[in-house]
Order: sequence, then C-alpha cells, then structure tokens
Amino acid sequence: EPEVTQTPSHQVTQMGQEVILRCVPISNHLYFYWYRQILGQKVEFLVSFYNNEISEKSEIFDDQFSVERPDGSNFTLKIRSTKLEDSAMYFCASSYRGRRTEAFFGQGTRLTVV
Amino acid sequence: AQSVTQLDSHVSVSEGTPVLLRCNYSSSYSPSLFWYVQHPNKGLQLLLKYTSAATLVKGINGFEAEFKKSETSFHLTKPSAHMSDAAEYFCVVSDWDTDKLIFGTGTRLQVFP
Repeated sequence: EPEVTQTPSHQVTQMGQEVILRCVPISNHLYFYWYRQILGQKVEFLVSFYNNEISEKSEIFDDQFSVERPDGSNFTLKIRSTKLEDSAMYFCASSYRGRRTEAFFGQGTRLTVV
Repeated sequence: AQSVTQLDSHVSVSEGTPVLLRCNYSSSYSPSLFWYVQHPNKGLQLLLKYTSAATLVKGINGFEAEFKKSETSFHLTKPSAHMSDAAEYFCVVSDWDTDKLIFGTGTRLQVFP
C-alpha cells in the first residue's frame, strides 16, 4: 500500500540552527501539506502546496519557514534559525484531490530544539 | 470559521464493550469530516470519512460514524472494543473553501481487559 514517508524520524538541533525535514508523498498525489503537533497540543496546519506553489498557509508559517518540492518526488520543510518553541512532531501529508478530501499522513519527524 | 469539539479528552472501556467517542463540529452547510487515529509513536491513520454521501459511514477496524446535521455531530462508535483500539482519536473537519484540515483536541481511548 502506498504511503507517505518522512525522514529523519527524530532530529535534535541547537537553537539558531537550520533544519530540513524531508518527505516523500504518495506518488500520484498532487497536494502536499505540513502539520505540526506540539507535545500535548492539537495537530495544527502549517502549509499546503499545489502546482509548485504555496496554496494556503497558517499564521504559524512565517518567514522562518519555507517549503520546496525540489525534484518531483521529495517535499521539504525548512526551518531557519530554530527556536525552542519549534520543538514538535512535524507531519507531512498528501492528497490526490485537495479540498474536502482525506490526507494521508507520514509517521512524523520529532524535532527537538535544545 | 470551521472547528471541531471533542467532548471527552479520555474515554475508558472494557474489552468487548461498545465505544463512543463524541465530536461536534462548526462549519459551513457542507463540511467534510474525518476520524483519524494515532497509536503511540505512530503517525496519523485515516479511520473513516464523510464527504456528503451516506450519513452513516463505515471505516476500518469495525468503526463507524454517523453525520447528523441537525445536531452538528459526527460521533465515532464501535460495537465491541479490542485492546488494540487503545490510541488517540482525532475528529477532523474540512470546508469547501480551504485546503486545510482542522483537528480536534483528541480523545485518548483506554481499553481494559
């Protein structure tokens, strides 16, 4: 069964460093997403990406964050100058049709900023 | 703006007894609704979805949910709990004018032998 894969599963980084979280969405999906879940809190939407551009983003997704689909298979989330409060589980997701359809999630990357 | 409220943060049941996880939503007249499950140290798995077809939706592992527009509810049920059902369950809404999924705060289901 096709699945969304994320690497690494766990990343520890020092405050102020840049991190790149990687995802391989399901191959025929057209819509890509990043969500995050701070420990003990809700899963929150960060950004959606379609046709090689951001289609929607949340207030959380400020200039510190960027996304890219560099090669037609990978989908990355870059966090510049990480802060302690960026520590969270980051989930990548993809869907075939976008709006009002289900998204398929990866296993998540646990980011710990120290 | 759309939102979901999961009415119970924790639910405990005995194995073999029914499960009821409650969810109320706020949305436009035509939302899409989903239940996802998260097992410890695992990702989010889709259990079932409602997208304006049949109001009673069947999902994986014996779960089902009923969309009740008059009550703005989408409660998740299972006739007989299994130990492997112990997990965190999220009710999720999506509206016609947005790409994003809005998650509830989650309900932790415990199943006792």
